[in-house]
Amino acid sequence: TQLLEQSPQFLSIQEGENLTVYCNSSSVFSSLQWYRQEPGEGPVLLVTVVTGGEVKKLKRLTFQFGDARKDSSLHITAAQPGDTGLYLCAGAKETSGSRLTFGEGTQLTVNP
Amino acid sequence: GAGVSQSPSNKVTEKGKDVELRCDPISGHTALYWYRQSLGQGLEFLIYFQGNSAPDKSGLPSDRFSAERTGGSVSTLTIQRTQQEDSAVYLCASSKGLIASTDTQYFGPGTRLTVL
Repeated sequence: TQLLEQSPQFLSIQEGENLTVYCNSSSVFSSLQWYRQEPGEGPVLLVTVVTGGEVKKLKRLTFQFGDARKDSSLHITAAQPGDTGLYLCAGAKETSGSRLTFGEGTQLTVNP
Repeated sequence: GAGVSQSPSNKVTEKGKDVELRCDPISGHTALYWYRQSLGQGLEFLIYFQGNSAPDKSGLPSDRFSAERTGGSVSTLTIQRTQQEDSAVYLCASSKGLIASTDTQYFGPGTRLTVL
């Protein structure tokens, strides 16, 4: 059973389009993180959200943590080919220390 | 400064053989994690070490998997009697501490293990 469900699993869009990736769970998380991973490399942290309803922006990327801290979304505006990669959400629970539970990832391809 | 390094980058082995994967964390990081990633999938937690505390081994999939961390620095993940289902990328990460919301986990490039 996957604790964190990501959707869509694959996304192929044209440069300039907007997109949203979702990360959903029935569990409450104390914090949620988004990572981006490129082939042959480890994931790199993009953002951490800790407060229900929190919205964080990183240039063209907007991250939101659900009010109940069970879900999150990543919105990319005017996608660029450089945004191509595997996007992973990961949640931490107060009872699990720093142990992270990862979603299965969204493979994004932005075509020029 | 140097990031997390892992060796080897690729390992091909035959079913039934033992393998050792190495991780060199960022200097000064007290926490070290091992994860496993199947092709194009998310990461599966295996084990983490924090200072001199007993490691959290709750993610190890079987007793064929073990890990140690010597001197609070380098870690080795050992898989005994490898099986084809062990084929995956094994990722190591380190962080300054154990607070997920503030202590960023920095990942190495991984070791791609292929069991024939």
